[in-house]
Amino acid sequence: GESVGLHLPTLSVQEGDNSIINCAYSNSASDYFIWYKQESGKGPQFIIDIRSNMDKRQGQRVTVLLNKTVKHLSLQIAATQPGDSAVYFCAARGGSNYKLTFGKGTLLTVNP
Amino acid sequence: DVKVTQSSRYLVKRTGEKVFLECVQDMDHENMFWYRQDPGLGLRLIYFSYDVKMKEKGDIPEGYSVSREKKERFSLILESASTNQTSMYLCASSLTGSLGEKLFFGSGTQLSVL
Repeated sequence: GESVGLHLPTLSVQEGDNSIINCAYSNSASDYFIWYKQESGKGPQFIIDIRSNMDKRQGQRVTVLLNKTVKHLSLQIAATQPGDSAVYFCAARGGSNYKLTFGKGTLLTVNP
Repeated sequence: DVKVTQSSRYLVKRTGEKVFLECVQDMDHENMFWYRQDPGLGLRLIYFSYDVKMKEKGDIPEGYSVSREKKERFSLILESASTNQTSMYLCASSLTGSLGEKLFFGSGTQLSVL
């Protein structure tokens, strides 16, 4: 089955810096990927998603990059703010398997 | 905005009690899901439903059941609560035809079983 893992469980950055959170997946047939943000005491919030026919997708201050060759995706947050402090999850859908498999999350801490 | 509402933010129950966790969504979504979230384990799918009265087991259905009598409401039932069911429970919904895509989550119910 699919497994999804984040490279670092924690990441600490300075306010204003760019943040990069990395994620690896195991199933080469995965066709859809999504990033969530979870603040303390809240449910996960959608950030951005990308399909396997794309390499890059941009949102507001966020960019997701997908490298299917090495089964890796990353979330880039520009000009990180204190309000970005949260746990970030990636998830992958394994092709014909309809289910999303979630990674365990990276805790991003933004230092003022 | 899609709203997924879970009836309780915190619950404390005794071992052996029957526990009901309720979830309501207001966007006419066909698909609804129950996950549990534990430290170091991430989100794990318990059950999901793709239509009224339809349900499918997820990865960890043991000890749980579900009910979907109305489209907007999806209930998770712990028939006889045990301490290893202490966890954060998250309900989610998604649009028709996108079982494995953009899920909208509720705020979660932190259940403690003593």
